[in-house]
Amino acid sequence: AQTVTQSQPEMSVQEAETVTLSCTYDTSESNYYLFWYKQPPSRQMILVIRQEAYKQQNATENRFSVNFQKAAKSFSLKISDSQLGDTAMYFCAWGTNAGKSTFGDGTTLTVKP
Amino acid sequence: GAVVSQHPSWVICKSGTSVKIECRSLDFQATTMFWYRQFPKQSLMLMATSNEGSKATYEQGVEKDKFLINHASLTLSTLTVTSAHPEDSSFYICSASFQGTAYEQYFGPGTRLTVT
Repeated sequence: AQTVTQSQPEMSVQEAETVTLSCTYDTSESNYYLFWYKQPPSRQMILVIRQEAYKQQNATENRFSVNFQKAAKSFSLKISDSQLGDTAMYFCAWGTNAGKSTFGDGTTLTVKP
Repeated sequence: GAVVSQHPSWVICKSGTSVKIECRSLDFQATTMFWYRQFPKQSLMLMATSNEGSKATYEQGVEKDKFLINHASLTLSTLTVTSAHPEDSSFYICSASFQGTAYEQYFGPGTRLTVT
């Protein structure tokens, strides 16, 4: 089965600290993308960062970066200088060219002041 | 760019009635739209995938006759919950994608359905 596993249901971090969210996936596709989405209390899904599977270089987006290990099928998200607005549920996902994505169960992140 | 809207944002209906939820891509043509259901603090459960002008593809376990999906144009998809029951109460999210978006989905803000 093509799955996404997020092993940390809940995490917390102090404001301004760094936190890493884990994600592993399993797919037989050769061409795919990986995503981290954020769902704040408003429940609007927001794309945080995207990684092309064929690229070795890890994607970065301001305070957000990923550690992509293709052979291990691992795709972790690092949030630096955590802010209160980062409090949300974070979903890891992979997608195909059909646009369909498979989502993990999510990690609830709480940033504490 | 790439904004998706949903209407209504919150709807309350009585058991046995039907309710329609609209999903619109405001500034792009969506070749594919997806409908998800989400329970509190849980992941998104894909219900169906729809392409403009063709029948929706439903995920296993989703009742086609209960959750009617229509993708009549490149900017509009609708989900109709027929003969709604309290167990259909949930948060419904649509998303849209188009060719050239690197497999990315653009999500609507969601619709909270409460069946009394």
